[in-house]
Amino acid sequence: GEDVEQSLFLSVREGDSSVINCTYTDSSSTYLYWYKQEPGAGLQLLTYIFSNMDMKQDQRLTVLLNKKDKHLSLRIADTQTGDSAIYFCAEADPYSGAGSYQLTFGKGTKLSVIP
Amino acid sequence: GAVVSQHPSRVICKSGTSVKIECRSLDFQATTMFWYRQFPKQSLMLMATSNEGSKATYEQGVEKDKFLINHASLTLSTLTVTSAHPEDSSFYICSAPLAPRQYFGPGTRLLVL
Repeated sequence: GEDVEQSLFLSVREGDSSVINCTYTDSSSTYLYWYKQEPGAGLQLLTYIFSNMDMKQDQRLTVLLNKKDKHLSLRIADTQTGDSAIYFCAEADPYSGAGSYQLTFGKGTKLSVIP
Repeated sequence: GAVVSQHPSRVICKSGTSVKIECRSLDFQATTMFWYRQFPKQSLMLMATSNEGSKATYEQGVEKDKFLINHASLTLSTLTVTSAHPEDSSFYICSAPLAPRQYFGPGTRLLVL
């Protein structure tokens, strides 16, 4: 079965880069995702990457995928206090029904940004 | 991006009553929707997969008679917590896929007194 692991906490200073790491076990995963959750809110999709890609950049966000090591990372450049939240890594279950993209989540990394 | 709404956002009810939570995909259709439960400071736990036109698929350990799911149309799924008890108090979140993305609702905070 799938398993997704993340470190639980990360603290960075405002203006620095944040790197949140994630490992997964299912090599058949087709898509991997990063979600952001602020207190009391739902999950906001930040970005996703297809498994045949190594890197994806979107403004301040850079996703790196090492498929050999099953390692995914999210880099946030110029981290701001508004980036403080919990970040979830997730992989799409390749065995779920066609088009359903059922997700398996990591436990989430709480990012704290120090002003 | 696509929008998924949930209603209500918060609900307080007495023990023994039933509570219905609605999940709507506002600008796309979804034959499948997912219901999650999230405890404080924890990750999301998948409860069930809601399938339009057929029965929901429940995860192991989730009581189907306790958590009734109805996928009435291609844009609406409902979760009814029947005979709610304090231990059902939680944050319930739904999601709907629009390939290859999964969009989440804002969540419903349920408090059972």
